[in-house]
Amino acid sequence: ETGVTQTPRHLVMGMTNKKSLKCEQHLGHNAMYWYKQSAKKPLELMFVYSLEERVENNSVPSRFSPECPNSSHLFLHLHTLQPEDSALYLCASSQGDRKSYNEQFFGPGTRLTVL
Amino acid sequence: DAKTTQPPSMDCAEGRAANLPCNHSTISGNEYVYWYRQIHSQGPQYIIHGLKNNETNEMASLIITEDRKSSTLILPHATLRDTAVYYCIVRDFGNEKLTFGTGTRLTIIP
Repeated sequence: ETGVTQTPRHLVMGMTNKKSLKCEQHLGHNAMYWYKQSAKKPLELMFVYSLEERVENNSVPSRFSPECPNSSHLFLHLHTLQPEDSALYLCASSQGDRKSYNEQFFGPGTRLTVL
Repeated sequence: DAKTTQPPSMDCAEGRAANLPCNHSTISGNEYVYWYRQIHSQGPQYIIHGLKNNETNEMASLIITEDRKSSTLILPHATLRDTAVYYCIVRDFGNEKLTFGTGTRLTIIP
């Protein structure tokens, strides 16, 4: 247990569906992240939120829409996805105060399959 | 770009020390070396980090060469549960971003 939980753990959706991934951290951190890990590829950073403000958006398509309502929760809203979006989506959190080494704690991930 | 180079795979016998190398020849003076690992179907796990001195914690030791162009992660007594992909990452202190490469797939052999 890392203190970062993600739901659901597995998700299968059609290209016309709308779904949301949820991440919650119980560590008192103030920075949260979404990563994508496709088969045979390195983890790719998608979004970074610090103090509930988005500070990084790595050219992610608009069919992925993040939301950070407070420092403990992070969502990734999905709509009209493509089969190539099938991947493991990982959430992470860190202290983010730029005074520490900012070790990132990762959740277990959501395995997404787009049909 | 990941800025590090690691062998794609390694094997190690159970109970022996696993030594995982990493080259980071373009590392700058304010960049730290971090190691994470990812066990199959789980999220990455932080292991250790260092700047220029050798570091040790309950999981591993990190040896950084004097010129800081390479480092070695040492798992002193490898167990089957250490089978994972190990990532070496260089990163500015306080920088929010982690840039993962392809890592080294370490297999512990019984």
